Amino acid sequence: DQQVKQNSPSLSVQEGRISILNCDYTNSMFDYFLWYKKYPAEGPTFLISISSIKDKNEDGRFTVFLNKSAKHLSLHIVPSQPGDSAVYFCAASKGQAGTALIFGKGTTLSVSS
Amino acid sequence: SQTIHQWPATLVQPVGSPLSLECTVEGTSNPNLYWYRQAAGRGLQLLFYSVGIGQISSEVPQNLSASRPQDRQFILSSKKLLLSDSGFYLCAWRLAGGVETQYFGPGTRLLVL
Repeated sequence: DQQVKQNSPSLSVQEGRISILNCDYTNSMFDYFLWYKKYPAEGPTFLISISSIKDKNEDGRFTVFLNKSAKHLSLHIVPSQPGDSAVYFCAASKGQAGTALIFGKGTTLSVSS
Repeated sequence: SQTIHQWPATLVQPVGSPLSLECTVEGTSNPNLYWYRQAAGRGLQLLFYSVGIGQISSEVPQNLSASRPQDRQFILSSKKLLLSDSGFYLCAWRLAGGVETQYFGPGTRLLVL
């Protein structure tokens, strides 16, 4: 049973436009959500996170939105740049000591110039 | 600042051979440590996590094991590798008692032939 789902395996966007990556979750106990970016043959890099007490968090070109009632979060990248091309993973946590993050399967973003 | 190291970066091993992957963290004390695996075309799957020396929790039953002989050292092992053990192995750390953000190492690519 997949608790964190990224239903779009890939997304193609033109440089300068907005990229919107989506993520759905099923476990209402999740209270912290994160987005990671991953290049091939490298470890994931932390991008941005959001606590369940918020509905938006912004950091430069990256904004994460959380809709708890819909159990949905999204990552907006504006403006998109070719260097943003990578696999993006959504992850969720129940916040208990020592427990791991639950990851989605990832969305491959391709930004063309 | 904190850094996380993994080695080797790449490993090719025959079926039935043993395995030892090492992960070390610098710049922090008593971190939570994690081993994940990313199989081809799939998301990140948690294998083991540890909240302290000698404390290991297994998430997925398999022929792998983990040990934490020192505070900032985490080792992934196998006595006999299977073809299905091929994948990209990632170690991650998190501040104990802190926010849930985990930081990943560069990964080890394992190919079992």
